[in-house]
Amino acid sequence: GDSVTQMEGPVTLSEEAFLTINCTYTATGYPSLFWYVQYPGEGLQLLLKATKADDKGSNKGFEATYRKETTSFHLEKGSVQVSDSAVYFCALRTSGTYKYIFGTGTRLKVLA
Amino acid sequence: DGGITQSPKYLFRKEGQNVTLSCEQNLNHDAMYWYRQDPGQGLRLIYYSQIVNDFQKGDIAEGYSVSREKKESFPLTVTSAQKNPTAFYLCASSIGLENEQFFGPGTRLTVL
Repeated sequence: GDSVTQMEGPVTLSEEAFLTINCTYTATGYPSLFWYVQYPGEGLQLLLKATKADDKGSNKGFEATYRKETTSFHLEKGSVQVSDSAVYFCALRTSGTYKYIFGTGTRLKVLA
Repeated sequence: DGGITQSPKYLFRKEGQNVTLSCEQNLNHDAMYWYRQDPGQGLRLIYYSQIVNDFQKGDIAEGYSVSREKKESFPLTVTSAQKNPTAFYLCASSIGLENEQFFGPGTRLTVL
């Protein structure tokens, strides 16, 4: 079945460091890919998305490119801030379905 | 402001009691969903509803029940049959089943 694999956390970085959180997927068909962010004690917020191969989603300095050849959707940010500390979830939704498949989440901690 | 509200934010119940979690949306979305989140795991779908007066089981429906009498509301009842009810519960909604889902802030349920 469809699945999403994320790198295990926690990831601890100093402020202004470069961030990469890896995400790979297995899916039948042509999925849409998403990154959600969850701040402490809150629900999930959509961070960015990409709906087809080679699309790049971007928001708030975060970017991720839909790579069909490597089945990946890695999240990157050039310079993290303390306020980026949160749990990040990679997810997919196969075209024509309602169902989201979420990864287990990666906790990011940014130190001042 | 349009959005999804869940109440209460924190809920405590004694073992063996049923408890109902509230989810309301004013986004005029047809579809609504309930997810469960456990530490170190991705979200798992409990129930979903495509339209008023209709709902379907998700992946982990046992021990839960829902109703969808109004478009805006999709309450979730955690029954005493649920073996391990302590978790963070997230409600979401979307225009339709194939559209992007928006999440509420969540309810943390602790069964003592």
